[in-house]
Amino acid sequence: EDKVVQSPLSLVVHEGDTVTLNCSYEVTNFRSLLWYKQEKKAPTFLFMLTSSGIEKKSGRLSSILDKKELSSILNITATQTGDSAIYLCAVGFSGSARQLTFGSGTQLTVLP
Amino acid sequence: NAGVTQTPKFRVLKTGQSMTLLCAQDMNHEYMYWYRQDPGMGLRLIHYSVGEGTTAKGEVPDGYNVSRLKKQNFLLGLESAAPSQTSVYFCASSYSGAGVETQYFGPGTRLLVL
Repeated sequence: EDKVVQSPLSLVVHEGDTVTLNCSYEVTNFRSLLWYKQEKKAPTFLFMLTSSGIEKKSGRLSSILDKKELSSILNITATQTGDSAIYLCAVGFSGSARQLTFGSGTQLTVLP
Repeated sequence: NAGVTQTPKFRVLKTGQSMTLLCAQDMNHEYMYWYRQDPGMGLRLIHYSVGEGTTAKGEVPDGYNVSRLKKQNFLLGLESAAPSQTSVYFCASSYSGAGVETQYFGPGTRLLVL
């Protein structure tokens, strides 16, 4: 059974802190790993990592895929209150209709 | 360009009632999906469609039916609602081209079954 596990489940930090969110997976025929940010409503896309693109960066956010360890991390530096959200990790696998298996998410709260 | 829209935004049902959730996308995407999100459970796939007239079961299909009569619309039906179906429902769509995995999500429908 395909499985995506995120840790920690929740995290409370203060503005300016750096955080690292973790995602590990056990899926058949891995193809990609995606990170989404979910504030009050719909998840919004952050990054996609594949065998040909194992590191992505956008502003204060960066992510790395470790295919050997079957895991990924999402780093956020100099956190701001606007970073407060649920961060979802999802894994796509070959042979599917672009189906994604999601982890349960990490609830990040950034205090002023 | 509205992206992915969902109707209604919120609904309260009594046990045994039926309803249909509508998802529409204007991005000409081939693939569409219905998910449910419960606290601490992440997003779980209910049904999906790879094109007009085709549907398939996801991880948690029981108690739901779907139809994709038009490329831009994907309907999710509950024939006899149960309290266990209280959840937030998200629709998503995706381009079918090679190397593109991103799914675009609608704003969600909050459903309460009493």
